[in-house]
Amino acid sequence: QKEVEQDPGPLSVPEGAIVSLNCTYSNSAFQYFMWYRQYSRKGPELLMYTYSSGNKEDGRFTAQVDKSSKYISLFIRDSQPSDSATYLCASSLSGNTPLVFGKGTRLSVIA
Amino acid sequence: DSGVTQTPKHLITATGQRVTLRCSPRSGDLSVYWYQQSLDQGLQFLIQYYNGEERAKGNILERFSAQQFPDLHSELNLSSLELGDSALYFCASSTGDRGVGTDEKLFFGSGTQLSVL
Repeated sequence: QKEVEQDPGPLSVPEGAIVSLNCTYSNSAFQYFMWYRQYSRKGPELLMYTYSSGNKEDGRFTAQVDKSSKYISLFIRDSQPSDSATYLCASSLSGNTPLVFGKGTRLSVIA
Repeated sequence: DSGVTQTPKHLITATGQRVTLRCSPRSGDLSVYWYQQSLDQGLQFLIQYYNGEERAKGNILERFSAQQFPDLHSELNLSSLELGDSALYFCASSTGDRGVGTDEKLFFGSGTQLSVL
């Protein structure tokens, strides 16, 4: 079992929709949770970061971690065509351990 | 532009060959990471260097090796190449002083697409 699992999609939504992207993880010791966005033919870029459980909001993006169910979510409000990308969730045990990435979910927002 | 430069962008080679991928980190970043991305495995951590020293090792094959030079650029050497080594190889850099698992950002290059025929 991969440590971080993610539905690869593709997920296609109309512009303005609320998007929900999800990951599950197996290692209950994970403490740090991140979402990276990767545009086609580009490297991933950090979008959101959360430590332990809880929510974090940044503009149209909300990251949510539920450690009791080992579930990580990213919500995108008022989705735009420019949000079309692959979204990767990532987790790590501590501040000095490398990130473990999910395989990514490909999102298309249709105008 | 992330500020991380990777060369070459594309590499086509044959099985059994050896190649070298090069990475120049962002100015001021001391940590360099190498990742392999394939459709079936996703983004896999290979190795991390911090200021010239190996700091962490992931799922890196014995046929692969890396180093970070005094000017902080890094090279990933892949030898005895197999078809399954075809993938996108990313280099990322960070300041490295707070730990990659914190909100310290990883800045990724645009990758080297390796095709082994």
